[in-house]
Amino acid sequence: GENVEQHPSTLSVQEGDSAVIKCTYSDSASNYFPWYKQELGKRPQLIIDIRSNVGEKKDQRIAVTLNKTAKHFSLHITETQPEDSAVYFCAANGNYGQNFVFGPGTRLSVLP
Amino acid sequence: EAQVTQNPRYLITVTGKKLTVTCSQNMNHEYMSWYRQDPGLGLRQIYYSMNVEVTDKGDVPEGYKVSRKEKRNFPLILESPSPNQTSLYFCASSLRSGGNTEAFFGQGTRLTVV
Repeated sequence: GENVEQHPSTLSVQEGDSAVIKCTYSDSASNYFPWYKQELGKRPQLIIDIRSNVGEKKDQRIAVTLNKTAKHFSLHITETQPEDSAVYFCAANGNYGQNFVFGPGTRLSVLP
Repeated sequence: EAQVTQNPRYLITVTGKKLTVTCSQNMNHEYMSWYRQDPGLGLRQIYYSMNVEVTDKGDVPEGYKVSRKEKRNFPLILESPSPNQTSLYFCASSLRSGGNTEAFFGQGTRLTVV
């Protein structure tokens, strides 16, 4: 089955700097890769996703890149702000698209 | 307002006492699922349902049961809870097949089994 790894587990950056979180997946049939943000005490919410037919997608300060050959994808946050502090989860679809497998999460702290 | 609603938000129970966590969505989504969240392990899927009367095991189904008698409801049942089921639980729904569209999560249920 699908296996998703995520690094780093914790990340601290200064406000205004960029943050990068990387994920790898194992199932070459996976074709949908969402990223979820979970603020403290809240539910996970989708912030950006990418499908396998594109290599990069951007939405304001966040972007995701996908390398299907290497089976890895990354989240990039530019000009970080304190409200970006949260746990971020990557995911890949598995089991012929029937469900998601999530990475273990990255706790991002943006220091003022 | 489109939402996924779980109840209760917090629950403390004793080992062996059956409990049910309810989940309801008002978006007419076909796909619903349950996850547990533990530190360092991310979100692990317990069970999922692709439609009414269709359920299947996720990655960590042992000790849990589910049912999908109506499209909007997907309760999680712990027949005989044990302390290792202490966790934060999330219900989620998606428009269709669970791995191809956005998952909308409920508010979470923090369960403690003593």
